[in-house]
Amino acid sequence: GEEVAQTPKHLVRGEGQKAKLYCAPIKGHSYVFWYQQVLKNEFKFLISFQNENVFDETGMPKERFSAKCLPNSPCSLEIQATKLEDSAVYFCASSQQTNEKLFFGSGTQLSVL
Amino acid sequence: AQSVTQPDIHITVSEGASLELRCNYSYGATPYLFWYVQSPGQGLQLLLKYFSGDTLVQGIKGFEAEFKRSQSSFNLRKPSVHWSDAAEYFCAVAAGSGYSTLTFGKGTMLLVSP
Repeated sequence: GEEVAQTPKHLVRGEGQKAKLYCAPIKGHSYVFWYQQVLKNEFKFLISFQNENVFDETGMPKERFSAKCLPNSPCSLEIQATKLEDSAVYFCASSQQTNEKLFFGSGTQLSVL
Repeated sequence: AQSVTQPDIHITVSEGASLELRCNYSYGATPYLFWYVQSPGQGLQLLLKYFSGDTLVQGIKGFEAEFKRSQSSFNLRKPSVHWSDAAEYFCAVAAGSGYSTLTFGKGTMLLVSP
């Protein structure tokens, strides 16, 4: 596709439940990035992929968060046992190469109650 | 570790007036610098970027930014603001593997008055 597609747009979970977010990068883009935006403040980098391989995971929390990009499937970000502080907008972005323009999706608003 | 500071949380500018949004960065090597804009409920759109070369960078929508190494700054400017420019603006520096990971500032909200 010509845009980064993120689903769902909104996700509500009770504390302790699992949340799974999806991202379809632009066709032909090799790199996928996940960012977390809390309270409309700064964006926090989580993880990036080069095709199906983890490229940089320095921002990924050690516990409860995992991500995958499998061939012929949307990329996913999964949060096990969600906590209140996981409430945020999660943005996915893709690019053809590193250092090139990132194209951002519209985000998934995760609300943990 | 790299960091980005945007000193102004909010700025109000009259329509037609000039605009300058401040950005200071901290990074040990040559930085790759970006300005993004976020409209309400939307993702980020790239306005412009600096990798090397001419320190005055032109972007979309009439924006420009100037990289000043001596001041560790990358301020965004526009000569005449339009009401549609009202949005949140984020400065970012690229670091990490392949300079792919962005570190963002906390953003500056631009309000445009009639």
